[in-house]
Amino acid sequence: DAGITQSPRHKVTETGTPVTLRCHQTENHRYMYWYRQDPGHGLRLIHYSYGVKDTDKGEVSDGYSVSRSKTEDFLLTLESATSSQTSVYFCAISPDSNQPQHFGDGTRLSIL
Amino acid sequence: DQQVKQNSPSLSVQEGRISILNCDYTNSMFDYFLWYKKYPAEGPTFLISISSIKDKNEDGRFTVFLNKSAKHLSLHIVPSQPGDSAVYFCAATDTGRRALTFGSGTRLQVQP
Repeated sequence: DAGITQSPRHKVTETGTPVTLRCHQTENHRYMYWYRQDPGHGLRLIHYSYGVKDTDKGEVSDGYSVSRSKTEDFLLTLESATSSQTSVYFCAISPDSNQPQHFGDGTRLSIL
Repeated sequence: DQQVKQNSPSLSVQEGRISILNCDYTNSMFDYFLWYKKYPAEGPTFLISISSIKDKNEDGRFTVFLNKSAKHLSLHIVPSQPGDSAVYFCAATDTGRRALTFGSGTRLQVQP
C-alpha cells in the first residue's frame, strides 16, 4: 500500500531505553514524515524530511531525533524513552509538498 | 489550541443515507484541505482534497464542501455503505505545505 513499510509494528520497552523506529519506502518520494497519534489529538507531526540529510522539526519534536541518510529510509529515535511517548507512530511520504501524503500502517510503541 | 476541530466524535447513519462529517479551522493561512479515512490497525488513507480556490470537489460518492468565510468544511458520503464505517480525519495545510494539521477524528458507523 503506497510502498511504505514501518518496522517494528509493535514494541514494548522500558523507560530510559533508546528506541529507533524505521520507515522504508519504495516510491522514491522526496518527502517523508513522522506523526504520532494519541486519543483526542488526531495525528501530530514530530519531524519531517524534504531530502537526504534535510530534516526539520514539527509540532511535537521534543525528545525525538530523526535521520535520513538515503532516500528510502527515515529513522525516528527516542534517545531515552519516557512513558509520555507511548503512542502509535505513523510514517508518511509524498512526492512533493503539494501532493497528498500517504501513510504506513503504524508502529504501536508502549513504554513501561 | 487546536487549529483544526472535528466537534463530533461519532456519527451513526443508516446504509443508503447521506453521511455528513464536519470540520472547522481557525488558521486563516490554511489553503489546502484533505480528508483521510482510517480503519483499525491501519494507516490513514487519503480520500479527497480541496484547494481554497474551490468551494466543492467531488469524487464518486464523496464530496467535500469548503466555506472559507465560515472556516468550515464538510465531507458528504452518498450513499453510505457499511464499508464506510471508519474514523475520518480532516487535515489542513498552508502554501508551504510541509506539514498537515489534523483534527481529532470522527468515528462513522453505517448501520446495515
